[in-house]
Amino acid sequence: GEDVEQSLFLSVREGDSSVINCTYTDSSSTYLYWYKQEPGAGLQLLTYIFSNMDMKQDQRLTVLLNKKDKHLSLRIADTQTGDSAIYFCAETAPIGGNTGKLIFGQGTTLQVKP
Amino acid sequence: KAGVTQTPRYLIKTRGQQVTLSCSPISGHRSVSWYQQTPGQGLQFLFEYFSETQRNKGNFPGRFSGRQFSNSRSEMNVSTLELGDSALYLCASSSLPGGNNSPLHFGNGTRLTVT
Repeated sequence: GEDVEQSLFLSVREGDSSVINCTYTDSSSTYLYWYKQEPGAGLQLLTYIFSNMDMKQDQRLTVLLNKKDKHLSLRIADTQTGDSAIYFCAETAPIGGNTGKLIFGQGTTLQVKP
Repeated sequence: KAGVTQTPRYLIKTRGQQVTLSCSPISGHRSVSWYQQTPGQGLQFLFEYFSETQRNKGNFPGRFSGRQFSNSRSEMNVSTLELGDSALYLCASSSLPGGNNSPLHFGNGTRLTVT
């Protein structure tokens, strides 16, 4: 079935790198997403990767995709206190044709200690 | 470019009432999706509209409904509110439907509390 799994909590020191991991089930997903949610806010699209890519880098963010293992990771370099938030991984689950919905993981709470 | 705008930000209703939430997508986006976020169930898909047509619906009771207007703005309605409907309701827009064709951009949500 459709399922996205993430670890629930990660704590790092300011300046270190953070790596948030995710496993997904739907191999037909065209896009895989990372969203950030700060307290009281909605979901901010951080980055996304096409399923035909292995890696995508965007400033401090690096996304790695291992399609064989259905494993996605988000690396945040030089983590700052402002990066403290909940991070959601999401895959697309088709519902007929090209349309579909996003299936989200439970979210990983990133705590950045000064 | 303005982002996805949801109104109101907060709502308090009592059981049995109905509520209407509004979403204005990013300019030029024709697809609008709605998601419910609760601590227990996480983020769950409600429905998706594209060019005024409902394309997909999640596993929610018929009390949850929506519509999309010709300017792509969307509303969702929940009738006969229950305590369990308390949640953050998030709207997302994209240029094409489904999330498999173009990325989804979310608004800040409407926080609904049912007492």
